[in-house]
Amino acid sequence: DVKVTQSSRYLVKRTGEKVFLECVQDMDHENMFWYRQDPGLGLRLIYFSYDVKMKEKGDIPEGYSVSREKKERFSLILESASTNQTSMYLCASSSQGAPIYGYTFGSGTRLTVV
Amino acid sequence: QKEVEQNSGPLSVPEGAIASLNCTYSDRGSQSFFWYRQYSGKSPELIMSIYSNGDKEDGRFTAQLNKASQYVSLLIRDSQPSDSATYLCAAESNTGNQFYFGTGTSLTVIP
Repeated sequence: DVKVTQSSRYLVKRTGEKVFLECVQDMDHENMFWYRQDPGLGLRLIYFSYDVKMKEKGDIPEGYSVSREKKERFSLILESASTNQTSMYLCASSSQGAPIYGYTFGSGTRLTVV
Repeated sequence: QKEVEQNSGPLSVPEGAIASLNCTYSDRGSQSFFWYRQYSGKSPELIMSIYSNGDKEDGRFTAQLNKASQYVSLLIRDSQPSDSATYLCAAESNTGNQFYFGTGTSLTVIP
C-alpha cells in the first residue's frame, strides 16, 4: 500500500520555536507539496518541489522554508513559530507526466502554537 | 477570482437520495480534474478523476465534466450516512503538476 507519511499527528509548540514537519513518500514521486488547511480558507499551498534540491514558493510561503535533500523526503520548517501558524498541515505527493493521477495526501499534522 | 469555486454548503440529503456537488474552474488550460472526500479531522482521499468531457462512473459515484462551461460535478447515488464529509474539487494547473483546490462542500446524509 503506497504511503505518504507525516512524522507527527499532533504537535504543540511554543511561540518562537523552530518547528520541523517531516514528510516521507514511498511511491517514487517526483512532486511533493506542503499545504495548510484552515476552516473557511480551504487548502493553501505553502511550498512545493518537483525534484531533489529544488523548491518553489506557493501562495503563502512567508514564515516557512522547506528542504528536499532526498527524493522521498520533503521537510517543512517554521523558522519562528507564531500563533497564526496554528493549523492542519498536509503533505502530498504526485507523479509527473501524463496522465495526471492526482495527489496522495499524508494523514496530516495538527500543529498548535501557544 | 478563485481558480476553483464550490458552494460551501452545507448540503443535506436524506439517505438513499442523490447528492449533487458542483464546481467551476477558471483556467481553460486545465485538463485533469479530481474529487476528494475529507472526513472531519482526516486528510483528503481521492475518489474520482476525470479528464474528458462527459460522464465517468465508479460505483455509486459519477463525475461529470463540461470543459466548454468549465464545470465539474459529482453525483453520489443512494447516499449513505457514511458519505457525510467535505468534498473537495481540484483542477490541474495549466502548467501541470500542481492542482487548484476549491474550499469544499460539506455534505450531510440524514438517516
